[in-house]
Amino acid sequence: NAGVTQTPKFQVLKTGQSMTLQCAQDMNHEYMSWYRQDPGMGLRLIHYSVGAGITDQGEVPNGYNVSRSTTEDFPLRLLSAAPSQTSVYFCASSYSRDAADTQYFGPGTRLTVL
Amino acid sequence: AQSVTQLGSHVSVSEGALVLLRCNYSSSVPPYLFWYVQYPNQGLQLLLKYTTGATLVKGINGFEAEFKKGETSFHLTKPSAHMSDAAEYFCAVRPYTGANSKLTFGKGITLSVRP
Repeated sequence: NAGVTQTPKFQVLKTGQSMTLQCAQDMNHEYMSWYRQDPGMGLRLIHYSVGAGITDQGEVPNGYNVSRSTTEDFPLRLLSAAPSQTSVYFCASSYSRDAADTQYFGPGTRLTVL
Repeated sequence: AQSVTQLGSHVSVSEGALVLLRCNYSSSVPPYLFWYVQYPNQGLQLLLKYTTGATLVKGINGFEAEFKKGETSFHLTKPSAHMSDAAEYFCAVRPYTGANSKLTFGKGITLSVRP
C-alpha cells in the first residue's frame, strides 16, 4: 500500500493563478479531508468528504473547492490564489467517519503564492 | 464546539530526561483524544489515542498519555528522551458523536533533545 499520496510536493504560484492539489489513497477509506498548516496555528480543516459524491466545509473553506468523484481521489482546487494561501497542505484519510478512527496523513504539499 | 490548548511552543530536554508535553481541551460532548507527531518535512503520524477503556494509553516509541476527565487534560509523557524524539507534537480532540464531528488540533509543541 502506498497509503496517502499527494502531488506536487512543492508549488509556487502567482496571485490570481489557479491550481489543483492532488490527493489519492489506496486503502479504500471512506473519509478524506484537507488541512492547512501554518506556523503557530496547528492544522485547520479546509474541507472533508464522508464518501464519494459527498463533501462538506471545514473551518477555513473560503477560496478552496473540492469534489469526490471516486473513493480514491480527493483533489483540492484553488480558484484564484492569494498570498494568504501560502501554507503547507495535508490530505488525510480514515476508514470511516467514526470519530475513533485514525486519520492517516499524506506527506504534504508546500505552496507559496507570490 | 471544542478547543485544544498546548501551553508553550517549544520544549527542550536533555537526552535521557523525562518528556512532558501538556494538553488541555474543552469540548461540549465527551471527546476522543489523540497525539500526533510530525518529523521534519513529513506528514503527521499517530502516536496514541484514547477512545474508551483504560485511561492510561500507551503508544509508539515509548510514549504514553493519561486521560484525566476531571482536569480535561491529556498530557503526553516519555520516561527517557531520545535524540530521535525531536519533532513537533500535536494534541487533537474529536467529539465522539455528532454529524459534524471533526478533528481539532492544538497549535503544536516543538520538542528539542540536547545531547
